[in-house]
Amino acid sequence: AQRVTQPEKLLSVFKGAPVELKCNYSYSGSPELFWYVQYSRQRLQLLLRHISRESIKGFTADLNKGETSFHLKKPFAQEEDSAMYYCALSNYGQNFVFGPGTRLSVLP
Amino acid sequence: ETGVTQSPTHLIKTRGQQVTLRCSSQSGHNTVSWYQQALGQGPQFIFQYYREEENGRGNFPPRFSGLQFPNYSSELNVNALELDDSALYLCASSLAGGVGDTQYFGPGTRLTVL
Repeated sequence: AQRVTQPEKLLSVFKGAPVELKCNYSYSGSPELFWYVQYSRQRLQLLLRHISRESIKGFTADLNKGETSFHLKKPFAQEEDSAMYYCALSNYGQNFVFGPGTRLSVLP
Repeated sequence: ETGVTQSPTHLIKTRGQQVTLRCSSQSGHNTVSWYQQALGQGPQFIFQYYREEENGRGNFPPRFSGLQFPNYSSELNVNALELDDSALYLCASSLAGGVGDTQYFGPGTRLTVL
């Protein structure tokens, strides 16, 4: 069965510190992986997707098929990064699975 | 360019009733997906419609059904409401038929079942 896990419900870091939001998945195939973000009082929006290999707002994520992980990283956290982050996978038309989310709190 | 809109914003129903939620896709998008988000959880995929046909379905019973119209707007219908159906219902639109395409989410409809 397809599943996405995010082990941390809440992650607090200080401004300027590195941040890593963990995501692991289970899927027998080659899924497409995403990170979505929801800032306070805003809609859920795409942050990045693994196939584009982009760096958005300083965040990057590398797909590790051996470890079935897609961790989100940023070298220097900013207060405006405080939000709810969801990891998600898609199997190209059959389903779309979100993780439970991690709330990132960046402290001043 | 208009974004995804949903109506109503909030809704209160009682067990056994039926409900219809509506979604207007972002301009130019031909695909709409519906999600259920219970409190403290991530969105759960209900189904997707592409050009008026169901294009994928999650693990939801048949009492959850949908429609997509020629203008690509969509409805989510839930029959025989249960208490556990209380949640935020999100719709998301995208262009092209793949679930993997970038989805643009609406603000959601908060459904409370008493």
